[in-house]
Amino acid sequence: QLQLQESGPGLVKPSETLSLTCTVSGGSISSSSYYWGWIRQPPGKGLEWIGSIYYSGSTYYNPSLKSRVTISVDTSKNQFSLKLSSVTAADTAVYYCARHFLRYDAFDIWGQGTMVTVSS
Amino acid sequence: QSALTQPASVSGSPGQSITISCTGTSSDVGGYNYVSWYQQHPGKAPKLMIYDVSNRPSGVSNRFSGSKSGNTASLTISGLQAEDEADYYCSSYTSSSSVFGTGTKVTVL
Repeated sequence: QLQLQESGPGLVKPSETLSLTCTVSGGSISSSSYYWGWIRQPPGKGLEWIGSIYYSGSTYYNPSLKSRVTISVDTSKNQFSLKLSSVTAADTAVYYCARHFLRYDAFDIWGQGTMVTVSS
Repeated sequence: QSALTQPASVSGSPGQSITISCTGTSSDVGGYNYVSWYQQHPGKAPKLMIYDVSNRPSGVSNRFSGSKSGNTASLTISGLQAEDEADYYCSSYTSSSSVFGTGTKVTVL
């Protein structure tokens, strides 16, 4: 069945750019019914949607993060990626990638998550 | 966009029913029938339990049900079981964005 797996550095320095990749297996990222999203969760806190991308490259972002976020897709590798610039300690969180069933605005399949710490 | 408001905690005894509320505005919960609910056990990824206010994905127990009235959505868990102890989050569509709730910790007494 469809699986998602996040990968990337677990430690990022303040003011630098956080970069993560989500690899989709067991299915195609080019499915017409789905977007692909990033969600994060600071330690002990709630979920925050970061943004989502369609296989064509169409994106939409959380307005509060939009100025720092770029999400891209590589259909040849069945991957999509997140870049978050100018990070601070407040960006320390578990980052999840998920399949975003846009028709219902629901995240129906999630990766296991990856912890990213922002620290010098 | 502000997070949707949920009670911090709800508790119940095994076999009882509990309800978790999710309050937003006419721009999110009240404006669209795109409310979802997620269950998250400690150290695990969230799991979709309800979408489109009241629909259950395949494999989710029918003990979980959702509803909405005005700007408030609700998740009801009937026949509470020990395995239901977890954090629960609502989410809603809002003008080309998605917003999550503040989260509710459900404790089975």
